[in-house]
Parts: sequence; C-alpha cells; structure tokens
Amino acid sequence: DADVTQTPRNRITKTGKRIMLECSQTKGHDRMYWYRQDPGLGLRLIYYSFDVKDINKGEISDGYSVSRQAQAKFSLSLESAIPNQTALYFCATRTAGNTEAFFGQGTRLTVV
Amino acid sequence: GENVEQHPSTLSVQEGDSAVIKCTYSDSASNYFPWYKQELGKRPQLIIDIRSNVGEKKDQRIAVTLNKTAKHFSLHITETQPEDSAVYFCAATYNQGGKLIFGQGTELSVKP
Repeated sequence: DADVTQTPRNRITKTGKRIMLECSQTKGHDRMYWYRQDPGLGLRLIYYSFDVKDINKGEISDGYSVSRQAQAKFSLSLESAIPNQTALYFCATRTAGNTEAFFGQGTRLTVV
Repeated sequence: GENVEQHPSTLSVQEGDSAVIKCTYSDSASNYFPWYKQELGKRPQLIIDIRSNVGEKKDQRIAVTLNKTAKHFSLHITETQPEDSAVYFCAATYNQGGKLIFGQGTELSVKP
C-alpha cells in the first residue's frame, strides 16, 4: 500500500546537536507538511511545501529548516537542538485541492 | 491571523450519549474543514470533512455542521461507544487551500 514513512521513529539527542528527521511517501502527492504535536497544543505547522521549488514557513518555523530533495522526500532539520523541541513530529502529504492529509507514523524526539 | 480554535480540550461522556466538539476559524476564504481522530499511540486519520458549499454532512454516527457566516463548525458523535475514545482535531485550510491548520485537539473519553 502507498504510505508515508518517517525515520527515525524515536530519537534521543543532546542539546546543541544537529538532527535530521526524514519523510518519504509513495502516494505521489505533491504537497508535504511537517507538524509537531505537544499535549494541549494540538498539531502545529512547522513548514509546508507545494512542490520541490515551493517551500513555506508555518506557524512555528524558528529553530527548524527543511529540504525537499524530491517530490517524494521532505526532511526536517534542527540545526542546534534545544530541550523545548522535545515533541512528537508528524509528516503529512496531500494532493492539490480540498483533499485528505495522510500522516506518517510520527517521530518521537527527546532533547536532553 | 490564520487560526483555528477548538473547544473543549477534554470531554467525558457516558456510553450512548452524544458528544459535540466546536471549532472556529479566522479566514472567510477558508473552504475546507476536515476532522481527524487520533487513537492512543497512532497517527491522526480523517474521519469526516466538509466543504464550504454545504452546511451539513453525515456519515453513520458522526456529522459535521458548518456555519460560514459565524465562521464555526462542529463535530457531532451520537450513540457514543468506548472505541470513540481518542483525541479529535479539527482543521481549516488557508493560503488557497495549501496550508492546513489544526485546532488544539479534544480528548474524548467515553465511559462504559
């Protein structure tokens, strides 16, 4: 089945380290998204991309960067991780128009 | 700004009762309003959505209503069952449909 895959699933890293979370999809969707989930704060949008050449900041992009290496791959980087970036991170994909978003399994990141 | 507010943050009902979750959005140009269910330890999944050209949509025990004038929409679950226990998220689209913003989530608990 076509799916959205995130790697790694769990990661513990130290403050100040650079870390990359990866997302790949076999759904053929052009739009890709990165969200972080914190209890009581819902799913907050970090970055989103319409295609390889079109990347947009979301609600909480400070401290994060992204790379859309191909239509199927969208990576999220924390250049210098800090403890308040500890969260559950989700990648999602959609086609153009008013369409359903499909989520990856999530990456649980802990910054110590 | 682009915002989705969701209430309540937690909701506890007895099995068989109805549950209602409400959301408001800030941009009159938004025209797509999905609802997602996230079971414990799982990824969010679409349960129902509504587009701005309709006022109500129903799928078995769940329904969504939309009031574009007031900029709010609601999820209604009737005859609740323990398996309805989960976190529910509403969302709205911005930026010509490309940006998907979520509410803060509602943790629904259905007591047997």
